[in-house]
Amino acid sequence: DAGVIQSPRHEVTEMGQEVTLRCKPISGHDYLFWYRQTMMRGLELLIYFNNNVPIDDSGMPEDRFSAKMPNASFSTLKIQPSEPRDSAVYFCASSLTGGGGETQYFGPGTRLLVL
Amino acid sequence: AQSVTQLGSHVSVSEGALVLLRCNYSSSVPPYLFWYVQYPNQGLQLLLKYTSAATLVKGINGFEAEFKKSETSFHLTKPSAHMSDAAEYFCAVPKGGTGRRALTFGSGTRLQVQP
Repeated sequence: DAGVIQSPRHEVTEMGQEVTLRCKPISGHDYLFWYRQTMMRGLELLIYFNNNVPIDDSGMPEDRFSAKMPNASFSTLKIQPSEPRDSAVYFCASSLTGGGGETQYFGPGTRLLVL
Repeated sequence: AQSVTQLGSHVSVSEGALVLLRCNYSSSVPPYLFWYVQYPNQGLQLLLKYTSAATLVKGINGFEAEFKKSETSFHLTKPSAHMSDAAEYFCAVPKGGTGRRALTFGSGTRLQVQP
């Protein structure tokens, strides 16, 4: 399996621009997670989906952030408008339902720099 | 909500020396505990996980961790460090509540291995 695929791997944009991050989970996985990693806040959950439905979006910073999962093989995280404080590494992860304690498989991340 | 605390943001050991990375969980016993490793410019990958089946858990690359309820700890150890172990290590616990499938991560410990 190719693993979790994220694109782009690096993104540099200017403040105010729209940014779209993409994720393809492992085939057959029914959970998809978006995390953000910064030096100040560490790794934090933004949102996660089960069977394409958002379950917990309490970590989404504000209305500038939105996430969608139109089908089982694709998800997007959009920031509009972007701000310098959004600079971070954004990870997508997926897992398969089990009895609990499922392993999450992480993508390589998208490194976002907002100037 | 569940949380974990990692003591020591940086740990430096000599090659061949014992590795000990500390993790303590919040007061209530979690059903699962995880250790993930992040190599430079990569996503996270699972090292090992505790599922209450056994208190001593063996993982990949010679790592193991012991769940100690009396100490609310889940420390990660490896008898002999290798240069390739240099990475950042994260302890994690299920978030709980409606976000129970997501993970809450500790702040991470960066392991440096000296030749």
